[in-house]
Amino acid sequence: GNSVTQMEGPVTLSEEAFLTINCTYTATGYPSLFWYVQYPGEGLQLLLKATKADDKGSNKGFEATYRKETTSFHLEKGSVQVSDSAVYFCALSGPRGGNKLTFGTGTQLKVEL
Amino acid sequence: GAVVSQHPSWVICKSGTSVKIECRSLDFQATTMFWYRQFPKQSLMLMATSNEGSKATYEQGVEKDKFLINHASLTLSTLTVTSAHPEDSSFYICSARTGARDTDTQYFGPGTRLTVL
Repeated sequence: GNSVTQMEGPVTLSEEAFLTINCTYTATGYPSLFWYVQYPGEGLQLLLKATKADDKGSNKGFEATYRKETTSFHLEKGSVQVSDSAVYFCALSGPRGGNKLTFGTGTQLKVEL
Repeated sequence: GAVVSQHPSWVICKSGTSVKIECRSLDFQATTMFWYRQFPKQSLMLMATSNEGSKATYEQGVEKDKFLINHASLTLSTLTVTSAHPEDSSFYICSARTGARDTDTQYFGPGTRLTVL
């Protein structure tokens, strides 16, 4: 079945540091890939998505590229801010999975001054 | 953008009582809504998929008689936790999808924190 593996957190960075959160997946067929962010006490918000190989999703300075050859969708940001502190979830949705979202375990990011 | 609301945002109830949580898509019609459960510092666990006008499809291990789901309209789905017990305490999150394709985005509600005493 479908699965998503994320790097374990928490990840602690200084403001303006470069961020990478690794995400790899296992799926049958060609899934769509998503990054969601959850701020403390809130629900999930879609951060970005990519629906086919080599697509790059981007939003709010975050980027992730759909790499079919490495089955990866790593999240990056060139310069993080304190306000980026949150939990980040990688997820996929694929036709073989009934179009349901399969989530990774989440990676907590803490950005300090 | 697409907005999903949940009500209430938090609820405390006594053991043995039932609690209803509403999920609404405010500015779009959702043919499909999903209910998730999230434990502290863990990922989301899909409980059930709800299609408007039909019975919900529950994931393996989820008791359908305990977690009643009704999707009466294209903008409203409800989750009723019947005879709640302390182990049902959790963060319940709904989402709504605008279409039926895997490329369609799920939009999430802010969640409902349930505490059963």
